[in-house]
Amino acid sequence: GQNIDQPTEMTATEGAIVQINCTYQTSGFNGLFWYQQHAGEAPTFLSYNVLDGLEEKGRFSSFLSRSKGYSYLLLKELQMKDSASYLCAVIGNTPLVFGKGTRLSVIA
Amino acid sequence: EAQVTQNPRYLITVTGKKLTVTCSQNMNHEYMSWYRQDPGLGLRQIYYSMNVEVTDKGDVPEGYKVSRKEKRNFPLILESPSPNQTSLYFCASSTRRREIAGGITSTDTQYFGPGTRLTVL
Repeated sequence: GQNIDQPTEMTATEGAIVQINCTYQTSGFNGLFWYQQHAGEAPTFLSYNVLDGLEEKGRFSSFLSRSKGYSYLLLKELQMKDSASYLCAVIGNTPLVFGKGTRLSVIA
Repeated sequence: EAQVTQNPRYLITVTGKKLTVTCSQNMNHEYMSWYRQDPGLGLRQIYYSMNVEVTDKGDVPEGYKVSRKEKRNFPLILESPSPNQTSLYFCASSTRRREIAGGITSTDTQYFGPGTRLTVL
């Protein structure tokens, strides 16, 4: 079966760093995505990991450990506009499966 | 501009009245899919298509139909809508999976349409 877990909500302060975790159990593994979604809008791509390690892209980084079925998204220098839901999604032997998302609130 | 378009963006209808939500992409992507998003349940896949004339059920296909007669279009059909199909719907497309180094398959990013908010009364 497919199971993806991530925290439902998080709150962090403007300028700080926040880490959003994702654990997964899937049939096979062919990559893990992180998407950002503002309320009422379409998800937009943030990162893709298929090999173990850290991928850095500006203020956002994503880490993957395939042996542990674990990933995290790291957001640095938080801005108010980063308030959104962050979706973890995995491709295994089936098409893309999404977690329920983590709603991040950035406060002043 | 590379994009996925959906129409209509908003629709209010009544139970039992057939409707179609269109989806079109201009990126020559093989893979297209439909999702619905509901509070507390996240994004759930309805149907997907690996290429023209190839469609498969996702996690929640009941009450929906799709077709893929052309590469760029992937309409979602609700033959007899019911109130439990009130939701936010997204269409998405991407290229196919391909092999990269070490026998690992990779896949391109899924591009999402802007969403269709459907209310069935």
